Amino acid sequence: GQNIDQPTEMTATEGAIVQINCTYQTSGFNGLFWYQQHAGEAPTFLSYNVLDGLEEKGRFSSFLSRSKGYSYLLLKELQMKDSASYLCAVMDSNYQLIWGAGTKLIIKP
Amino acid sequence: ETGVTQTPRHLVMGMTNKKSLKCEQHLGHNAMYWYKQSAKKPLELMFVYSLEERVENNSVPSRFSPECPNSSHLFLHLHTLQPEDSALYLCASSQEVGTGSDTQYFGPGTRLTVL
Repeated sequence: GQNIDQPTEMTATEGAIVQINCTYQTSGFNGLFWYQQHAGEAPTFLSYNVLDGLEEKGRFSSFLSRSKGYSYLLLKELQMKDSASYLCAVMDSNYQLIWGAGTKLIIKP
Repeated sequence: ETGVTQTPRHLVMGMTNKKSLKCEQHLGHNAMYWYKQSAKKPLELMFVYSLEERVENNSVPSRFSPECPNSSHLFLHLHTLQPEDSALYLCASSQEVGTGSDTQYFGPGTRLTVL
């Protein structure tokens, strides 16, 4: 079967750095997405990786290793507004998104 | 209006009621999706439409009936639901199905409670 694993919950301190990991086992691979979802709101697109390596976008970076079936989302200079759930999703060989259950990130002052 | 909108935002219904969820996208996309989001579970894809044709139906019970009258509008008709159908129902749209970088954009969802 297809599976996406990510931690259920993480806690970090304002101003610090946090890394949210995602491992996947899917039938085929056509890219990996990260989304942010604040409570009661729509998931919003953060990043897309299809090649190995690090993609940086301001305070957020996303890394992919296809050989290891592994990605992480790195958030720097954490702000209180970064408290949200972070969803990892992989597009499989049928171009269907397979979703993880999400990581709830709690930022403490 | 911009992006993807959904109405109503909240819905409470009895098991014998019939109701409909509405989604509209203002992005000029060709594909639209319905997802179910339950607490602490992955998003479950329910239906996919591409250019108003249904291209995916992931074994969804017949008490959920989608309708896509045009590429900007998507409905989910609900009838004789069960309490376990209570969840957040998300609509999304994307440029086109079948490309790896095809990013989905979501609406704010309808929080459905079935009594």
